[in-house]
This record gives sequence, C-alpha cells and structure tokens, in this order.
Amino acid sequence: NAGVTQTPKFRVLKTGQSMTLLCAQDMNHEYMYWYRQDPGMGLRLIHYSVGEGTTAKGEVPDGYNVSRLKKQNFLLGLESAAPSQTSVYFCASKPSGTNTEAFFGQGTRLTVV
Amino acid sequence: QQQVKQSPQSLIVQKGGISIINCAYENTAFDYFPWYQQFPGKGPALLIAIRPDVSEKKEGRFTISFNKSAKQFSLHIMDSQPGDSATYFCAASWSNDYKLSFGAGTTVTVRA
Repeated sequence: NAGVTQTPKFRVLKTGQSMTLLCAQDMNHEYMYWYRQDPGMGLRLIHYSVGEGTTAKGEVPDGYNVSRLKKQNFLLGLESAAPSQTSVYFCASKPSGTNTEAFFGQGTRLTVV
Repeated sequence: QQQVKQSPQSLIVQKGGISIINCAYENTAFDYFPWYQQFPGKGPALLIAIRPDVSEKKEGRFTISFNKSAKQFSLHIMDSQPGDSATYFCAASWSNDYKLSFGAGTTVTVRA
C-alpha cells in the first residue's frame, strides 16, 4: 500500500520562484492537511481540506495556496518563495469521524536560497 | 501560540532506562491525545493515543499517563532501546474539530 505519497522529496528554489508540492493518498480519506516542520516548533498547520473542492486556512497560511480538485490529491503552492519558507513539508490524511488516526507522507525538504 | 506545550526539547537516556516526555494543554474541550513517533527522514506515525476518560494506557513498553485536573499528559518509554531513538510529538484534538494541535517535539537519543 502506498498510503500518502509526496512529490518531490527534495527541492531547491531561488527567492521569488514558484512551485507546487503534490500529495496523493490512496486510502479514500476525506481530510487532508499540509504541515511544515521547523526545529523547535513542531508541526504547524498551513492549510487543510475536509473534502473535495474545499480548503481552509491553518495556523501559518501566508505565502501558500492549496487546491483539492480530486479527493485523492492535495496540492500546496508557493507563489513567490522566500527564505523563511525553507522547511520540511508534510502532507497528512485521515478518515472522517471523531478522533481518527492521521497518516503522514515522508516529507518534502525545501530550501529557498 | 501553541496549544500544546511539550518538554523537554531533547533527552538522552541509557539503554534500559526510562524516557519521560511531558505535555500540557489549556483547551478543556480537547478529548483525544495521541503521540506520534518520527524517525529521521520519515513522516510521523501514530504510536499510542488516549482519551480523557482513562488515566493510563499501556502498549508494550510505551505508557501514556493522563491527569485531567492538571491538564497534563506524559509518555513513558520503559526499558528504552536504541531503536527508540526518534522525535516524539504529543498532540491534542477535540471531537468538533478536524485538526490536531502538535507540541514542539522531543528528540530522544538512547545510548547503547
């Protein structure tokens, strides 16, 4: 089982460039999330989606956009990359229902120079 | 601000020792408290979880202790092994929300 797959795994961007991170899940989960992980700050929620065609802002949404055109895919876009967006990005999905387990992808390490 | 405060940031324990990680929360609506384990280069994975109607839950060498009145919960790793070396995150959520709030993480190093 693939679970949650993120592409790419590594990327280096120049300041001002744009890019899209792709998350795909094959578990038919309703909810999907994008987090960023920075040293000493844990996992901070960027955006999330509770179903196809819906998105919502998390704790740190500025500088990012998302789309969920298909249930299995959740895209994270960086419009104009900044060095402060250097981080490890994780996608997660979980089934609907109360207090269900979240499944994470393996992460995308992004460096903005 | 972080809704779940986690300490310590890192700890080193000898093989066979006990690792203890503490978390505290403010939102009394939280009713689900999972712990996630993350190995280097991997995504976090659910380790163990507890609901506030019980004070303790044990799975193998891992135990969660929960103190509802103090709004605190902790993870104990008994007989720590080198394979337990990882980053551990506590988290919390409540039934009417879709989101998990994570602590800052604790990096555990088990020395052989």
